[in-house]
Amino acid sequence: GESVGLHLPTLSVQEGDNSIINCAYSNSASDYFIWYKQESGKGPQFIIDIRSNMDKRQGQRVTVLLNKTVKHLSLQIAATQPGDSAVYFCAEKVGFGNEKLTFGTGTRLTIIP
Amino acid sequence: DTEVTQTPKHLVMGMTNKKSLKCEQHMGHRAMYWYKQKAKKPPELMFVYSYEKLSINESVPSRFSPECPNSSLLNLHLHALQPEDSALYLCASSHLGQSPEQYFGPGTRLTVT
Repeated sequence: GESVGLHLPTLSVQEGDNSIINCAYSNSASDYFIWYKQESGKGPQFIIDIRSNMDKRQGQRVTVLLNKTVKHLSLQIAATQPGDSAVYFCAEKVGFGNEKLTFGTGTRLTIIP
Repeated sequence: DTEVTQTPKHLVMGMTNKKSLKCEQHMGHRAMYWYKQKAKKPPELMFVYSYEKLSINESVPSRFSPECPNSSLLNLHLHALQPEDSALYLCASSHLGQSPEQYFGPGTRLTVT
């Protein structure tokens, strides 16, 4: 993901609305991407993943979109709930057998009741 | 069981102390990882073990010494740390290959005084 300096990007969304969190990745050779959710005081929690041979994948209330042309990844969360408030990280990986994940800067999502 | 456990949850140590962080998983994962996370930053990879052998060392100072006694356990031995080493230390595990999503533990909050 791209560096945005010392400040964590933030996004505030009204409860019940949909949210979209964006991530720009840097390595055109990346072939696997993951979204993680990290709540305060906890480790990152796996949300959803997508391989580079796909452009969309859906889970429960979440959809990940991949645009390889512009090296962009997004996470859509439908009908947001207070429990969705957290920091969201995208992560990318290059190659089969390479276990190194590179994390993006992260976005803090706040759900307004 | 999809849980990665880490002990202790919190650790305060002086610069001359020796301590160890412990991580355990029973998911049959053959890759285990140590990450360091500073406040408002993404996790940074430190070490990767594949089949109990060190496969990646991200140029981590020798005052951090990893150990993988068996496929379920991962330790991080700490010696002569600096105050700037204070951070959240996260352990993760994953299968190798086709389903490489990493599962994280809750972390150890380390403070070096």
